[in-house]
Amino acid sequence: DIQMTQSPSSLPASVGDKVTITCRASQSIDSYLNWYQQKPGKAPKLLISAASSLQSGVPSRFSGSGSGTDFTLTISSLQPEDFATYYCQQSHSTAIFTFGPGTKVDIK
Amino acid sequence: QVQLQESGPGLVKPSETLSLTCAVSGYSISSGSYWGWIRQPPGKGLEWIASIYHTGSTYYNPSLRSRVTISVDTSKNQFSLRLSSVTAADTAVFYCARVAYRDYLYYYMDVWGRGTTVIVSS
Repeated sequence: DIQMTQSPSSLPASVGDKVTITCRASQSIDSYLNWYQQKPGKAPKLLISAASSLQSGVPSRFSGSGSGTDFTLTISSLQPEDFATYYCQQSHSTAIFTFGPGTKVDIK
Repeated sequence: QVQLQESGPGLVKPSETLSLTCAVSGYSISSGSYWGWIRQPPGKGLEWIASIYHTGSTYYNPSLRSRVTISVDTSKNQFSLRLSSVTAADTAVFYCARVAYRDYLYYYMDVWGRGTTVIVSS
């Protein structure tokens, strides 16, 4: 089974900050990596698929990069609505998924 | 606009079977796509449970495989989840989602239901 880790688990930040979240897979997953944003009491929202493909309607301040085992989600200038928990998810095999443990971005 | 809506009992007794249904609107399940269930225990992260293709092909989380059944009913445009022998550890918010794909390589959950809370308690 492919295991996913994320760092940090908690990220205090301020509006305007550049934020970087790291996700690591236990084995190579090529670019089969998605990122989701979840706010309290809400369903997750897809931000990025295939490691770097921005979902329609997602602000361009979000970007993803990486391949193989190491991936990053970057928010270029944190906005008030971006305080949330972010999850990576691998999809190396057809319709089989593993989520990372999540990174909570909160107010510094 | 594709919408998903979970439904089912909010309270299940230990050792019993949890049954949930996800009704899909704005999109025909028979048109394609995979469909999935995800859960989130209180204060914890997301866990993928199972996925199903509209033809009935199924995919399960190995850690839950022995207790989970996912099924699809194209005539009702819905899919379902059954989780047997539940314990308090199965208490969670359960989400259903559409699993979209690109190039038959990249799979991702692009539409989610609002989630339904299931508590396992006697």
